[in-house]
Amino acid sequence: DGGITQSPKYLFRKEGQNVTLSCEQNLNHDAMYWYRQDPGQGLRLIYYSQIVNDFQKGDIAEGYSVSREKKESFPLTVTSAQKNPTAFYLCASSITPTGQGTAFFGQGTRLTVV
Amino acid sequence: GQQLNQNPQSMFIQEGEDVSMNCTSSSIFNTWLWYKQDPGEGPVLLIALYKAGELTSNGRLTAQFGITRKDSFLNISASIPSDVGIYFCAGQRNNDMRFGAGTRLTVKP
Repeated sequence: DGGITQSPKYLFRKEGQNVTLSCEQNLNHDAMYWYRQDPGQGLRLIYYSQIVNDFQKGDIAEGYSVSREKKESFPLTVTSAQKNPTAFYLCASSITPTGQGTAFFGQGTRLTVV
Repeated sequence: GQQLNQNPQSMFIQEGEDVSMNCTSSSIFNTWLWYKQDPGEGPVLLIALYKAGELTSNGRLTAQFGITRKDSFLNISASIPSDVGIYFCAGQRNNDMRFGAGTRLTVKP
């Protein structure tokens, strides 16, 4: 089945450690996105990528890094520089990066810093 | 970065009632999307709108792309308990996608 898969669903990290969240899609979508969701708030854009080997910062990119070495994969690294990393992270992909595509989401990864 | 203004923030309704929520922005969008999110899950796409003035239905759901391209609304008719969840609007323009803060819907049987 085609879809977008995030792993793991739950992740615990000690303060000061980097952690990488996985996002894979087999929809042949060009654009991929990472969002952060905090309780009672909407989704805030961390990074997005329109094409392989290219990505752009969103509104809250500080303390995060991404790579787009393959069309199917867009991993997000939460670094120790991120001051408040505990949140629900959502990955999405869309077929066209220029505004007329429909975006689909993964199931999310809940990151907790302990 | 600009987020969308989504109203209301929450709604408590009786089963069978109709629901209406909307999103507004000061900027123009090329696409409006409506999603539903259950707790601990990713948002699921309900309706996609691609053209100003477009009115689209999906079962009991109806959404419209505002003629100014700066707003959209979603209606749910004859609500049922499984409609409970958080509904998000999203506007897509060029290279990114912006979200409203969500409308939390509670349906009382």
